Amino acid sequence: DTEVTQTPKHLVMGMTNKKSLKCEQHMGHRAMYWYKQKAKKPPELMFVYSYEKLSINESVPSRFSPECPNSSLLNLHLHALQPEDSALYLCASSQDRTGQHHFGNGTRLTVT
Amino acid sequence: QQQVKQSPQSLIVQKGGISIINCAYENTAFDYFPWYQQFPGKGPALLIAIRPDVSEKKEGRFTISFNKSAKQFSLHIMDSQPGDSATYFCAATLYQLIWGAGTKLIIKP
Repeated sequence: DTEVTQTPKHLVMGMTNKKSLKCEQHMGHRAMYWYKQKAKKPPELMFVYSYEKLSINESVPSRFSPECPNSSLLNLHLHALQPEDSALYLCASSQDRTGQHHFGNGTRLTVT
Repeated sequence: QQQVKQSPQSLIVQKGGISIINCAYENTAFDYFPWYQQFPGKGPALLIAIRPDVSEKKEGRFTISFNKSAKQFSLHIMDSQPGDSATYFCAATLYQLIWGAGTKLIIKP
């Protein structure tokens, strides 16, 4: 079991749907991350929150919208996704921006 | 300058053998070099990491060798076991993780 919990584990959505991915950590970490991982590739950084403020947005399309309601929670809101957005979405946290990343097991997203 | 080059792409090793995965980097400002292990359907998990002021770090069967002058580092898995079969990523950090491309390791019984 990981210390970073992601829900749901699997998600299938149509291109017109709106859905949200959720991530929770209770390690007191102040940095949280969203990554996208395609098969046989390393994770690609999407967003970084540091002390609940968005500090990095790696030119991600606006159909992905992150939210950090508090220091333990991180959401990723999805709207009007494309089939090429199908991937494993990973959340991670670290004590601060320079610390060790702890990853969740991801949400496997399929866009139909 | 921000790249980390990892090789080989895939590796098959007999049970009990030594698995070796290599990485190279260009940016001398990188200050932390972790290795992640990822099983299918799971997130990456930190396996072992090293800072550039140390030439070797060992944790159980896993060893990182670090060559600062050559800007290379490698992961050695001694007495490789079928349970070690996974994808391994090297990485380097400055303000964020820069990932290698990954190595799919298969340990044959």
